[in-house]
Amino acid sequence: QKEVEQDPGPLSVPEGAIVSLNCTYSNSAFQYFMWYRQYSRKGPELLMYTYSSGNKEDGRFTAQVDKSSKYISLFIRDSQPSDSATYLCAMSGRGGYQKVTFGIGTKLQVIP
Amino acid sequence: DGGITQSPKYLFRKEGQNVTLSCEQNLNHDAMYWYRQDPGQGLRLIYYSQIVNDFQKGDIAEGYSVSREKKESFPLTVTSAQKNPTAFYLCASSGQNLYGYTFGSGTRLTVV
Repeated sequence: QKEVEQDPGPLSVPEGAIVSLNCTYSNSAFQYFMWYRQYSRKGPELLMYTYSSGNKEDGRFTAQVDKSSKYISLFIRDSQPSDSATYLCAMSGRGGYQKVTFGIGTKLQVIP
Repeated sequence: DGGITQSPKYLFRKEGQNVTLSCEQNLNHDAMYWYRQDPGQGLRLIYYSQIVNDFQKGDIAEGYSVSREKKESFPLTVTSAQKNPTAFYLCASSGQNLYGYTFGSGTRLTVV
């Protein structure tokens, strides 16, 4: 079993839809939870991060962490064609140079 | 602007040849990483370094070599011993007690 599980998709939604992207994990030591966005043929860029449980909102994006269920989510409201990309969840422990474990990535296409 | 520069963007190599991928950062980050990304397999860690003149093997180090002579630079050599070198290679860096990684824009290596 992988430490981080993520559905690779692809996920196709119409413009304006609410998108829900999810990951599950098995390692209880994970404290930092991140979402990266990767456009085709580009490096991943950090989109959002959350420490421990709870919600964090940034514009149209909301990250949610439920440590009791070992489940994290990224919601995208009013999705735009420019949101079409691969979204990778990532997580790590706390302190020092912690190894980051990545999900496989979910490919999202927002159709105009 | 601070960031990570990978070069070249595209690289073609003949079978049996070694090739070196460049990675330079001006973020003053201590740790640097090399990942390989293949369709359907996500990010796989090749090598990482937390300090100058020291580095550790990741999950798929066979057929690769690295050096870390300067804090800013972490070149990756893909040797002829690597059986399936065609892939997208990503370099990343991180600072102590900072969450997540900063990625470069990647190098696409094709063996012809």
